[in-house]
Parts: sequence; C-alpha cells; structure tokens
Amino acid sequence: GAVVSQHPSRVICKSGTSVKIECRSLDFQATTMFWYRQFPKQSLMLMATSNEGSKATYEQGVEKDKFLINHASLTLSTLTVTSAHPEDSSFYICSARGLAGASYNEQFFGPGTRLTVL
Amino acid sequence: AQSVAQPEDQVNVAEGNPLTVKCTYSVSGNPYLFWYVQYPNRGLQFLLKYITGDNLVKGSYGFEAEFNKSQTSFHLKKPSALVSDSALYFCAVRDWAHNSGNTPLVFGKGTRLSVIA
Repeated sequence: GAVVSQHPSRVICKSGTSVKIECRSLDFQATTMFWYRQFPKQSLMLMATSNEGSKATYEQGVEKDKFLINHASLTLSTLTVTSAHPEDSSFYICSARGLAGASYNEQFFGPGTRLTVL
Repeated sequence: AQSVAQPEDQVNVAEGNPLTVKCTYSVSGNPYLFWYVQYPNRGLQFLLKYITGDNLVKGSYGFEAEFNKSQTSFHLKKPSALVSDSALYFCAVRDWAHNSGNTPLVFGKGTRLSVIA
C-alpha cells in the first residue's frame, strides 16, 4: 500500500514553455503533499507544502508564480513550471502524507520527474 | 528547528564487509527517524524508520539502524555489503512535537555508498 505515482517521469521542453507534473496517491487519501527539488548529487530541497483545497505554502526563495501548485483532490496534486528556463532543469519529487495511521506518520515518495529545459 | 547531519559525503566499503552510514539529528522533542535510498534517476525508496519502541530497527534489504537518544544518532548499518547496495542514502527526521500534517521530513545532504567488488 501507500503508493505515489508521478507523471511524466521525464520531460524535455523548450525554454519559455510551461510543464505540468502530476502527483497521485494511488491507494490512500493524501491530505498533504510536498514538492521537493533535487539538483545533481545534492539533497532534496522542500519547495512547497500543499493541502487539499487550499493554497500551497512556499518555502523561502521559491517563486510561487513560477511554480504553480494545485491540490484539487485528496489524491492529486500538480506542479506547473511556468515559462521554464534552463536553470529550472532539475529532478522534481513529490511526497504525500495521509489522514491517519501509518500514512500520517510517514511520507511516501513518488518516483520523480526529470525536467530538462533546452 | 529540526535538522539532520550526515557527516560523510562518501563511504567506500569492500563487498562482504560491514557498512555504516552515519546520521545525527537535532529536534526539540522526540524524533521520527527515517532512512531512504536513491538509485540514479530514481525516486526515494524507504528502508526503515524509528517511531518508538526498540532502539534497533530492522528494515529492507538487510539494513538496520540503531536509535541512540543520548548521542542523537541513527546510524544505518548492514553486516555484509553487496555491490548492489551502491547508491545515495538519505537520513530524515520529523519532530513529534511538531507532527502536524504540514510538517515535512527534513533530509540530510545524503551519503554516497560505494561497495567495491
């Protein structure tokens, strides 16, 4: 149980385009989803925290107008990188936390999305 | 504030030898502690966790970790390393005292394990 999926797994786009990444909790309801960014050979940096039906909370230094997060249901959150530029190229990982029990105490991670902006 | 330190960027060990990947943490309350492994271009895979109970936690793939409250450590260990264990390992913590739904895991910087045949 407690599976999180991400789509797409890999995307290459031209500079200036927007890219949407989906994160789904497949077998539990995720009240909270976290979006992380990981640069090569570095740790995961938290970008934002989103709760179903409310606005996301962004970490300091993360542009909310550039990284749009929508958490419209208890099983789906999306991250849209708007007007992407080469410096946005990174590995984006989502994580979900459930309502109660084991899914509340842990975070379950998606497989990640590799974004390359040309 | 909660934080995690992984003092070693790289750990090299010969296949068949025991391995240890170090982790120390800082929280204001009691910790939830986790170890994850990441293979190249892949997401994080859960290895084990400490919530409460026995200080020695056994996890996936033969890994174990010991919670030491006095030393605020949670080192990852395996008795006999395999070449396939070569990967990036992350320690993470969440503070019980701040265990609301919005409290994320805080990660260490990661330790790259290289097991040499």
